[in-house]
Order: sequence, then C-alpha cells, then structure tokens
Amino acid sequence: GAVVSQHPSWVICKSGTSVKIECRSLDFQATTMFWYRQFPKQSLMLMATSNEGSKATYEQGVEKDKFLINHASLTLSTLTVTSAHPEDSSFYICSASLPTGLETQYFGPGTRLLVL
Amino acid sequence: RKEVEQDPGPFNVPEGATVAFNCTYSNSASQSFFWYRQDCRKEPKLLMSVYSSGNEDGRFTAQLNRASQYISLLIRDSKLSDSATYLCVVKGGPGSQGNLIFGKGTKLSVKP
Repeated sequence: GAVVSQHPSWVICKSGTSVKIECRSLDFQATTMFWYRQFPKQSLMLMATSNEGSKATYEQGVEKDKFLINHASLTLSTLTVTSAHPEDSSFYICSASLPTGLETQYFGPGTRLLVL
Repeated sequence: RKEVEQDPGPFNVPEGATVAFNCTYSNSASQSFFWYRQDCRKEPKLLMSVYSSGNEDGRFTAQLNRASQYISLLIRDSKLSDSATYLCVVKGGPGSQGNLIFGKGTKLSVKP
C-alpha cells in the first residue's frame, strides 16, 4: 500500500514557539493531503484539506493564521502551528489520497505535540 | 445529533468470542463507508470498506443498511491482536471534497 511519513513523530515545545510538521507521500504523488487533529478519547477531526499549488481549505473553527499549511510539491505538505499554546497539545495526523480518486486515504504515523 | 455515532465501549471479550459493533450516521447523502482500526497512540489503518450488499474479509464481516443509516462490524473468533479501537468512518456526500468523518471509536479488549 501507499506510504505516508510524518516528521517529527513527537515534539515538546515552550508556549509561544512555532512548530512545523512535515507530511510526505513516499511512493506516490498526492494531489490532496488532509490534516487531522485528535484529542485524547476523541475522534479524528479534520482541520484542513491541502491541495498542491493552491491554498488550503480550512474547516470551520480552525484558524488559518494559526495553523499554516503549505503544499508546495506533490509529495510534501507542511503544517506549522504558530505561537503554540498548551491547548494546542494534541495528536496531529496527516493523510494523502491517490491521484486516482479520493476513496482511500493513507495516514501518516502522526505527530504528538506537547506544548508546555 | 453527531454525524457518526458509535458505542464507545469498552468491549471486554475472551479470545474466540464473537463481537459486534454498531454505528449510525446522520447524513443520508453519505456515499462511502469504512471501518478503520486504531491502536493506542497510533494512526488509523483501514480495516475494510463497507458495501451495500455486505462484505466479508476473513473473520470480519461488515454490513450497511442505508435505509436505517446503520453500519455494523462483526468479528468472529476474536484474537488478542484484535484489541484496538474500531472507528466507523463515513465519506461525505457531493461537495464534501471527499472528506472522511470519523466516529469516536469503539474500544475492544480481547483477553486470554
């Protein structure tokens, strides 16, 4: 199956700093990538849909100026959490869909963020 | 009403038991349905798609009832390795950009 990687797998940072998370499709080109967030014992919540070469589409309630998404190539999308606060501590997961369709999404291993 | 609802469990069963999970969804225009499993502190992984006629993959059987907006997953002869959280996932209807909507998941614990 298609492989998606994320880096870093976990990060601890001080409040007020910015954190960048990378999502890469390793063996296929992903025109669309998705960013999710999952709080403990909660469901995955879609934050934004990222299309290569265009602006991301954010879900209602997700601040686009706080969660900056860049999808500069067909194999890389980045999520930057700007001025992170403790309430941003969560499990961030990206996924990518194959160019043939959006039926199946392949998930990265996730990035666990802890903001102190 | 939540878009995708599941019984959170946990379901604690002995090895070899048969266990069934249920899920309901609110958007009648939903087009595709899936079961994912998520291990503790890991990403979700696709277990199987759910088709209108029902489908089986080894010990796993999935069923869909569009009229009732209800999805089920049956696990037979459960193994210790089946312990995980099972996520009911629905793909939105037209105009949703292929967004997946996740339930909170049902936790399964299989004991020796």
